Amino acid sequence: NAGVTQTPKFQVLKTGQSMTLQCAQDMNHEYMSWYRQDPGMGLRLIHYSVGAGITDQGEVPNGYNVSRSTTEDFPLRLLSAAPSQTSVYFCASGPYPLLNANYGYTFGSGTRLTVV
Amino acid sequence: SQQGEEDPQALSIQEGENATMNCSYKTSINNLQWYRQNSGRGLVHLILIRSNEREKHSGRLRVTLDTSKKSSSLLITASRAADTASYFCAPINAGGTSYGKLTFGQGTILTVHP
Repeated sequence: NAGVTQTPKFQVLKTGQSMTLQCAQDMNHEYMSWYRQDPGMGLRLIHYSVGAGITDQGEVPNGYNVSRSTTEDFPLRLLSAAPSQTSVYFCASGPYPLLNANYGYTFGSGTRLTVV
Repeated sequence: SQQGEEDPQALSIQEGENATMNCSYKTSINNLQWYRQNSGRGLVHLILIRSNEREKHSGRLRVTLDTSKKSSSLLITASRAADTASYFCAPINAGGTSYGKLTFGQGTILTVHP
Protein backbone atom coordinates (compact mmCIF):
# COMPACT_ATOMS: atom_id res chain seq x y z
CA ASN A 1 0.00 0.00 0.00
CA ALA A 2 1.77 3.13 -1.25
CA GLY A 3 -0.76 5.63 0.14
CA VAL A 4 0.10 9.16 -0.99
CA THR A 5 3.30 9.57 -2.98
CA GLN A 6 4.91 12.94 -3.51
CA THR A 7 7.77 13.67 -5.87
CA PRO A 8 10.33 15.10 -5.76
CA LYS A 9 11.28 15.07 -2.08
CA PHE A 10 13.66 18.02 -2.46
CA GLN A 11 13.91 20.74 -5.09
CA VAL A 12 15.88 23.94 -5.54
CA LEU A 13 14.57 26.45 -8.06
CA LYS A 14 15.77 29.78 -9.29
CA THR A 15 13.41 32.73 -9.12
CA GLY A 16 11.16 32.77 -12.16
CA GLN A 17 11.45 29.08 -12.96
CA SER A 18 8.38 26.90 -13.16
CA MET A 19 7.91 23.37 -11.97
CA THR A 20 5.31 20.77 -11.09
CA LEU A 21 5.07 18.97 -7.79
CA GLN A 22 3.56 15.52 -8.27
CA CYS A 23 1.06 13.83 -5.98
CA ALA A 24 -0.43 10.39 -6.53
CA GLN A 25 -2.67 8.23 -4.36
CA ASP A 26 -3.77 4.64 -4.78
CA MET A 27 -6.67 4.57 -2.32
CA ASN A 28 -9.38 5.70 -4.75
CA HIS A 29 -9.97 8.82 -2.66
CA GLU A 30 -12.17 11.48 -4.17
CA TYR A 31 -10.69 14.31 -2.14
CA MET A 32 -7.14 15.58 -2.63
CA SER A 33 -5.48 18.76 -1.45
CA TRP A 34 -2.23 20.67 -1.30
CA TYR A 35 -0.85 22.46 1.76
CA ARG A 36 2.24 24.47 2.46
CA GLN A 37 3.94 24.64 5.81
CA ASP A 38 6.36 27.36 6.76
CA PRO A 39 8.69 27.18 9.80
CA GLY A 40 6.84 27.32 13.10
CA MET A 41 3.47 27.46 11.42
CA GLY A 42 0.59 25.15 10.76
CA LEU A 43 -0.50 23.97 7.35
CA ARG A 44 -2.16 26.39 4.96
CA LEU A 45 -4.47 25.08 2.27
CA ILE A 46 -3.46 26.00 -1.29
CA HIS A 47 -5.91 24.14 -3.55
CA TYR A 48 -8.17 21.16 -3.21
CA SER A 49 -10.27 18.84 -5.35
CA VAL A 50 -13.33 16.73 -4.61
CA GLY A 51 -13.06 14.62 -7.74
CA ALA A 52 -11.68 14.42 -11.25
CA GLY A 53 -12.33 17.65 -13.15
CA ILE A 54 -13.21 19.61 -9.99
CA THR A 55 -10.80 21.95 -8.23
CA ASP A 56 -11.15 24.92 -5.94
CA GLN A 57 -8.98 27.44 -4.15
CA GLY A 58 -7.89 27.28 -0.55
CA GLU A 59 -6.43 29.96 1.69
CA VAL A 60 -3.26 30.77 -0.29
CA PRO A 61 -3.80 29.94 -3.98
CA ASN A 62 -1.87 32.78 -5.63
CA GLY A 63 1.09 31.63 -7.70
CA TYR A 64 -0.12 28.03 -7.92
CA ASN A 65 -2.21 26.09 -10.41
CA VAL A 66 -3.76 22.65 -10.13
CA SER A 67 -5.67 20.25 -12.31
CA ARG A 68 -7.33 16.90 -11.63
CA SER A 69 -7.67 14.82 -14.76
CA THR A 70 -7.72 11.48 -12.92
CA THR A 71 -8.77 10.32 -9.46
CA GLU A 72 -5.21 9.25 -8.69
CA ASP A 73 -3.17 12.35 -9.54
CA PHE A 74 -3.26 15.94 -8.36
CA PRO A 75 -0.21 17.92 -9.57
CA LEU A 76 0.63 21.37 -8.22
CA ARG A 77 2.23 23.80 -10.64
CA LEU A 78 4.35 26.78 -9.67
CA LEU A 79 4.07 29.18 -12.55
CA SER A 80 6.97 31.52 -11.78
CA ALA A 81 8.76 30.61 -8.57
CA ALA A 82 9.41 33.30 -5.98
CA PRO A 83 11.49 33.15 -2.78
CA SER A 84 8.23 33.52 -0.81
CA GLN A 85 7.25 30.08 -2.10
CA THR A 86 10.13 28.46 -0.25
CA SER A 87 8.29 26.00 1.96
CA VAL A 88 7.45 22.38 2.61
CA TYR A 89 4.52 21.20 0.51
CA PHE A 90 2.22 18.40 1.58
CA CYS A 91 -0.37 16.58 -0.44
CA ALA A 92 -3.27 14.82 1.26
CA SER A 93 -6.13 12.61 0.17
CA GLY A 94 -9.23 11.37 1.86
CA PRO A 95 -12.87 10.34 1.65
CA TYR A 96 -15.54 12.66 0.30
CA PRO A 97 -17.85 13.95 1.54
CA LEU A 98 -16.17 14.57 4.85
CA LEU A 99 -19.42 14.48 6.75
CA ASN A 100 -19.62 10.74 6.12
CA ALA A 101 -15.99 10.04 6.84
CA ASN A 102 -15.10 7.31 9.29
CA TYR A 103 -11.40 7.99 9.05
CA GLY A 104 -9.14 10.90 8.36
CA TYR A 105 -6.88 12.12 5.65
CA THR A 106 -3.67 10.49 4.49
CA PHE A 107 -0.71 12.78 3.96
CA GLY A 108 2.35 12.42 1.77
CA SER A 109 5.85 12.81 3.18
CA GLY A 110 6.31 16.27 1.70
CA THR A 111 8.35 18.15 -0.89
CA ARG A 112 10.93 20.58 0.45
CA LEU A 113 11.20 23.45 -2.00
CA THR A 114 13.79 26.21 -1.90
CA VAL A 115 13.57 29.16 -4.28
CA VAL A 116 16.75 31.17 -4.59
CA SER B 1 -14.70 25.18 6.88
CA GLN B 2 -13.19 26.28 10.15
CA GLN B 3 -9.92 25.67 11.84
CA GLY B 4 -9.42 24.68 15.42
CA GLU B 5 -7.25 26.54 17.86
CA GLU B 6 -4.93 24.35 19.87
CA ASP B 7 -3.81 25.17 23.38
CA PRO B 8 -1.20 25.30 24.79
CA GLN B 9 1.16 26.25 21.99
CA ALA B 10 3.92 24.20 23.60
CA LEU B 11 4.00 21.53 26.27
CA SER B 12 7.06 19.97 27.87
CA ILE B 13 6.80 16.91 30.11
CA GLN B 14 8.80 13.97 31.40
CA GLU B 15 8.47 10.48 30.05
CA GLY B 16 5.72 8.61 31.85
CA GLU B 17 3.62 11.70 32.54
CA ASN B 18 0.29 12.41 30.90
CA ALA B 19 -0.07 15.13 28.26
CA THR B 20 -3.30 17.04 27.67
CA MET B 21 -3.93 19.28 24.69
CA ASN B 22 -7.05 21.31 24.03
CA CYS B 23 -8.84 22.44 20.91
CA SER B 24 -11.52 25.09 20.57
CA TYR B 25 -13.67 25.82 17.56
CA LYS B 26 -16.39 28.29 16.63
CA THR B 27 -19.30 26.66 14.81
CA SER B 28 -21.24 23.41 14.98
CA ILE B 29 -19.35 20.35 13.85
CA ASN B 30 -20.09 16.95 12.36
CA ASN B 31 -16.85 15.46 13.62
CA LEU B 32 -13.44 16.49 14.89
CA GLN B 33 -10.14 14.89 14.01
CA TRP B 34 -6.74 14.90 15.68
CA TYR B 35 -3.46 14.58 13.78
CA ARG B 36 0.17 14.20 14.78
CA GLN B 37 3.17 15.54 12.89
CA ASN B 38 6.64 14.33 13.67
CA SER B 39 9.40 16.75 12.76
CA GLY B 40 9.75 17.11 9.02
CA ARG B 41 7.06 14.57 8.21
CA GLY B 42 3.49 14.60 6.94
CA LEU B 43 0.53 14.57 9.30
CA VAL B 44 -0.76 11.27 10.58
CA HIS B 45 -4.40 10.82 11.49
CA LEU B 46 -4.81 9.75 15.13
CA ILE B 47 -8.49 9.66 15.97
CA LEU B 48 -11.88 10.95 14.84
CA ILE B 49 -14.72 11.76 17.23
CA ARG B 50 -18.26 12.42 16.01
CA SER B 51 -20.47 15.19 17.36
CA ASN B 52 -22.75 12.65 19.09
CA GLU B 53 -19.81 11.09 20.95
CA ARG B 54 -18.42 12.44 24.21
CA GLU B 55 -15.33 10.30 24.59
CA LYS B 56 -13.25 7.99 22.46
CA HIS B 57 -10.20 5.87 23.17
CA SER B 58 -7.44 4.51 20.99
CA GLY B 59 -4.55 2.85 22.77
CA ARG B 60 -2.94 5.49 25.00
CA LEU B 61 -5.04 8.24 23.43
CA ARG B 62 -8.25 9.55 24.92
CA VAL B 63 -10.27 12.23 23.18
CA THR B 64 -13.19 14.08 24.69
CA LEU B 65 -15.65 16.37 23.01
CA ASP B 66 -17.88 18.97 24.61
CA THR B 67 -20.10 20.43 21.91
CA SER B 68 -21.75 22.86 24.35
CA LYS B 69 -18.35 24.45 24.98
CA LYS B 70 -17.16 23.88 21.43
CA SER B 71 -14.02 22.23 22.68
CA SER B 72 -12.13 18.96 22.54
CA SER B 73 -9.17 17.58 24.42
CA LEU B 74 -6.57 14.99 23.57
CA LEU B 75 -4.98 13.09 26.44
CA ILE B 76 -1.88 10.98 25.90
CA THR B 77 -1.26 8.74 28.87
CA ALA B 78 2.14 7.45 29.98
CA SER B 79 3.96 9.59 27.42
CA ARG B 80 7.04 8.33 25.65
CA ALA B 81 9.89 10.20 24.00
CA ALA B 82 8.47 8.98 20.67
CA ASP B 83 5.31 11.03 21.34
CA THR B 84 7.36 14.19 20.79
CA ALA B 85 5.58 15.86 17.88
CA SER B 86 3.15 18.61 16.93
CA TYR B 87 -0.52 17.86 17.40
CA PHE B 88 -3.32 19.43 15.38
CA CYS B 89 -7.09 19.31 15.63
CA ALA B 90 -9.40 19.67 12.62
CA PRO B 91 -13.10 20.34 13.19
CA ILE B 92 -15.40 19.38 10.33
CA ASN B 93 -18.46 21.61 9.91
CA ALA B 94 -21.94 20.25 10.31
CA GLY B 95 -23.62 22.66 7.95
CA GLY B 96 -22.86 24.36 4.70
CA THR B 97 -20.70 22.78 2.06
CA SER B 98 -19.34 19.36 2.81
CA TYR B 99 -16.30 20.10 0.72
CA GLY B 100 -13.00 19.10 2.26
CA LYS B 101 -11.16 22.33 2.97
CA LEU B 102 -9.66 20.68 6.01
CA THR B 103 -7.78 23.51 7.65
CA PHE B 104 -5.39 23.49 10.58
CA GLY B 105 -4.30 25.83 13.33
CA GLN B 106 -0.76 26.27 14.63
CA GLY B 107 -0.87 23.09 16.68
CA THR B 108 0.55 22.12 20.06
CA ILE B 109 4.22 21.23 20.15
CA LEU B 110 4.71 18.40 22.65
CA THR B 111 8.19 17.58 23.91
CA VAL B 112 8.60 14.46 26.03
CA HIS B 113 11.94 14.29 27.84
CA PRO B 114 13.46 10.84 28.49
